Amino acid sequence: ETGVTQTPRHLVMGMTNKKSLKCEQHLGHNAMYWYKQSAKKPLELMFVYNFKEQTENNSVPSRFSPECPNSSHLFLHLHTLQPEDSALYLCASSLGQGASGETQYFGPGTRLLVL
Amino acid sequence: DAKTTQPPSMDCAEGRAANLPCNHSTISGNEYVYWYRQIHSQGPQYIIHGLKNNETNEMASLIITEDRKSSTLILPHATLRDTAVYYCIVRVALSGNTPLVFGKGTRLSVIA
Repeated sequence: ETGVTQTPRHLVMGMTNKKSLKCEQHLGHNAMYWYKQSAKKPLELMFVYNFKEQTENNSVPSRFSPECPNSSHLFLHLHTLQPEDSALYLCASSLGQGASGETQYFGPGTRLLVL
Repeated sequence: DAKTTQPPSMDCAEGRAANLPCNHSTISGNEYVYWYRQIHSQGPQYIIHGLKNNETNEMASLIITEDRKSSTLILPHATLRDTAVYYCIVRVALSGNTPLVFGKGTRLSVIA
């Protein structure tokens, strides 16, 4: 266990559905991240939050909407997704206090299938 | 961040040492070398990182050449559970959080 949990672990949704992915970290970290991993592709960074403020949006389509209500929780709201959005969505956290070369700890991921 | 080059795949016999190479010839003086691994359909797992000196922890050892242009991750006694994709990442040590940039990694297969 890395101290980062994600729910649900698996999700199947239609293109007209609205769903949310949840990430929670129990490490006292201040930075949280969303990554996407499509089949046979490297991990792609989506969003970065540092002290609840979004510091990076890696040109992600607006059908993905992140929310960070506090430093321990991170959500990814999904609406009108496309089948090509099917992927493993990974959450990570790190200290986020300016520590050089700080380590990121990943959750187990949510396997999303869009029909 | 500097790019890294890793072999796409490697095999290792169970119980033997697994030596995974990584080339990072354009690494800068303030860039760390990080290693993560990802077991099938799970989140990446941090293994070890270093700047200049060799490092060892309970999982692995990291050997960085003197010119820092390459490194080797060593799993001293590989088990079947070490079968995974191993990622070598070079990352600028800036103030604040800097995202990880994952390449294709090396798929290590530990064989009984």
